[in-house]
Amino acid sequence: EPEVTQTPSHQVTQMGQEVILRCVPISNHLYFYWYRQILGQKVEFLVSFYNNEISEKSEIFDDQFSVERPDGSNFTLKIRSTKLEDSAMYFCASRGDENTGELFFGEGSRLTVL
Amino acid sequence: KQEVTQIPAALSVPEGENLVLNCSFTDSAIYNLQWFRQDPGKGLTSLLLIQSSQREQTSGRLNASLDKSSGRSTLYIAASQPGDSATYLCAVAAWGANSKLTFGKGITLSVRP
Repeated sequence: EPEVTQTPSHQVTQMGQEVILRCVPISNHLYFYWYRQILGQKVEFLVSFYNNEISEKSEIFDDQFSVERPDGSNFTLKIRSTKLEDSAMYFCASRGDENTGELFFGEGSRLTVL
Repeated sequence: KQEVTQIPAALSVPEGENLVLNCSFTDSAIYNLQWFRQDPGKGLTSLLLIQSSQREQTSGRLNASLDKSSGRSTLYIAASQPGDSATYLCAVAAWGANSKLTFGKGITLSVRP
């Protein structure tokens, strides 16, 4: 069964460092998303992406964050200068062109900022 | 602003019991509602999706219902098994298929053998 894959599964970084989280969405999907979940809190929306541009972003998604689809298969989330409060599980999701709106999530990348 | 609430935060039941997990949302103008399962330290697995025009969806031992007007959804699990132990999250999409999802905090279910 097709799935969304994310790398790395866990990354530890020092505060102020740049981090890139990678995602390979399901191959025929057109809409891509990043969500995050701080330990013990709700899953929160960060950004949606379609046709090579951001469709919607949350207040969390400030200038420190950026997304890119560098080729036909990868979708990346970059955090330019990590802060302690960026420590969270980051989930990539994708959906196809049908109008059901059903999202398929990856296993997540755990980011720990020291 | 949409708020999604799931109460209680945790639930423990003996194996074999039928159970109902509740989800409520404050804004009834939703496009769809999706139930997910999350195992510890893992991703979100989609269980059921209900469109705003639907009343319920079924998959195996799972049945999800939606009452938009009252802002409620329930996930019914029949004949629970220890393998059902996980956190169950509900999420609503506001205006369309590409709308962001607003999540509840989840209900952590433990099914005792």
